[in-house]
Amino acid sequence: NAGVTQTPKFQVLKTGQSMTLQCAQDMNHEYMSWYRQDPGMGLRLIHYSVGAGITDQGEVPNGYNVSRSTTEDFPLRLLSAAPSQTSVYFCASSYSGLAGIPTGELFFGEGSRLTVL
Amino acid sequence: DAKTTQPNSMESNEEEPVHLPCNHSTISGTDYIHWYRQLPSQGPEYVIHGLTSNVNNRMASLAIAEDRKSSTLILHRATLRDAAVYYCIPRNRDDKIIFGKGTRLHILP
Repeated sequence: NAGVTQTPKFQVLKTGQSMTLQCAQDMNHEYMSWYRQDPGMGLRLIHYSVGAGITDQGEVPNGYNVSRSTTEDFPLRLLSAAPSQTSVYFCASSYSGLAGIPTGELFFGEGSRLTVL
Repeated sequence: DAKTTQPNSMESNEEEPVHLPCNHSTISGTDYIHWYRQLPSQGPEYVIHGLTSNVNNRMASLAIAEDRKSSTLILHRATLRDAAVYYCIPRNRDDKIIFGKGTRLHILP
């Protein structure tokens, strides 16, 4: 049972570099999302998607891009990394339910720890 | 989006019940109430959810007030492994799932 798979688990970048955090789920979930968690803080929603071809902004979208070309994958792109983006990133997915009824539990990946120097 | 209010932290003794409150007075009639917890150095995990009726599962019970403006997560017999941050989250149709600050639960041996 793969569930939600995030890669890489660890990454160090220099300021200004770009990279993509990968997220894949094998549960045929419609809903996928990205969160970041800074040390000692709660999770903040970056972007989310309610289905293939549909994405929307969360609480802290600036500096990040997403796309959802397939149901399985939801990559998060950092366009020009900054030290303020040093954080642990979590991808999550869920089955949104019939007619968008939000009953599905969120399944989380193990997280990707990003350090920007 | 419905706002939630939870205590910053709580303490409980091991093997005793724990009642974690959440106030969500602006919740809409179609919002489900979800609870998640995050163990140290791990990602969040689902605990329980409900709409109007009280709910039970193997991890916990969820008691929802009749007016739905508050709910209580009940851990019937806390263990050291239950030490975590607990998040109460109203979840609505637009699927923007916002985690607040949660309650940090400390379990005393």
